[in-house]
Amino acid sequence: QSALTQPPSASGSPGQSVTISCTGTSSDVGGYNSVSWYQQYPGKAPKLMIYEVNKRPSGVPDRFFGSKSGNTASLTVSGLQAEDEADYYCCTYAGGNSWVFGGGTKVTVL
Amino acid sequence: QVQLVQSGAEVKKPGASVTLSCKASGYTFDSEYMHWVRQAPGQGLEWMGIINPVGGSTTYALAFQGRLTMTRDTSTNTFYVELSSLRSEDTAVYYCARRGFSGMDVWGRGTTVTVSS
Repeated sequence: QSALTQPPSASGSPGQSVTISCTGTSSDVGGYNSVSWYQQYPGKAPKLMIYEVNKRPSGVPDRFFGSKSGNTASLTVSGLQAEDEADYYCCTYAGGNSWVFGGGTKVTVL
Repeated sequence: QVQLVQSGAEVKKPGASVTLSCKASGYTFDSEYMHWVRQAPGQGLEWMGIINPVGGSTTYALAFQGRLTMTRDTSTNTFYVELSSLRSEDTAVYYCARRGFSGMDVWGRGTTVTVSS
């Protein structure tokens, strides 16, 4: 159950796009369409932004887009806004009724 | 609305045990599993385990096996997590999070556990 690999930081100017990668193995990211993404502000609980690779819960702006290729999932935030500055975590089902998170990526809006 | 209300902050000494609670409301208690996730200060999210409210079966992350116990009380719609043999590295915010949408769709506000002598 090794943590998924995310870049520690990413940044972009308002209106631009930023993409965060999440790399695992064929036993987790590559093996299931169960990747989810969470947004977390300092001192707050995480919030579900994407589930099942590319689905958005009600209320999540369509600026947030999820995808997956092989053992790597990605979250793209387009039209960056100041409110998007937060930590983002990927998570996936890893078999045997277990889940694993990525290390997290701090997104900065320049 | 769906809510997960977690118990208050705890301060424990090394070697002690701590039990945290998560009271669910606004949905059918036995319809969704419950995850527990923790976050050490300045660190990322760490999945701890999951419990099925129907029957109480559990799966724990390897890092916690032997020290972690998850239970539920169907009469009060409350989930519990007990972590034993506490050490300083267990200082963290502990979250309960409902399994929904193949992810974790509703989160509690978290409970801070401080382990210090």
